[in-house]
Amino acid sequence: DQQVKQNSPSLSVQEGRISILNCDYTNSMFDYFLWYKKYPAEGPTFLISISSIKDKNEDGRFTVFLNKSAKHLSLHIVPSQPGDSAVYFCAAIIQGGSEKLVFGKGTKLTVNP
Amino acid sequence: EPEVTQTPSHQVTQMGQEVILRCVPISNHLYFYWYRQILGQKVEFLVSFYNNEISEKSEIFDDQFSVERPDGSNFTLKIRSTKLEDSAMYFCASSEVGQHFGDGTRLSIL
Repeated sequence: DQQVKQNSPSLSVQEGRISILNCDYTNSMFDYFLWYKKYPAEGPTFLISISSIKDKNEDGRFTVFLNKSAKHLSLHIVPSQPGDSAVYFCAAIIQGGSEKLVFGKGTKLTVNP
Repeated sequence: EPEVTQTPSHQVTQMGQEVILRCVPISNHLYFYWYRQILGQKVEFLVSFYNNEISEKSEIFDDQFSVERPDGSNFTLKIRSTKLEDSAMYFCASSEVGQHFGDGTRLSIL
């Protein structure tokens, strides 16, 4: 039951360029979306989020875009840095309940110096 | 910055044995969660806990699993009779607004 899909298992980008990570979802009840970053041997760390009433949220080098009609969101990192190399998870919530996170499988980003 | 702490970092247990995974959530948080990630798969929700009771549990969280908040600080996940397929990383999370994760316990069932 893949309600949240990240179809690219990996992405390699040159330092200084833009990284674009994509995520699709199938459940139209999701109304809040989050991106988490995970380094090896650590837990997921919250990065940025967006409510379904918005189509863009920006925080420094990170911007999340939401296209509700397409059930698609993306995370843009610009400029990419080697320290951004990690696994990025897209997650979705239905607000008002237990607010359990439904995760995608993750995309491993490698930023090459 | 306050953080969620989990112990042990790695637990090796014989199949059929009971195991208890421990978590200390962030102190002023009210919502607690357990997730797991089997190697190569996605992070999956197991259970959420609020006001000293389970608020939601997944199909994975069967009768072999239980959670407890035995005191004001700890939040535990117990697996009564472990199976090989319980081998995974188990993550605890707590939230007030937004979920904060611990670094996980790697559970290896032999």
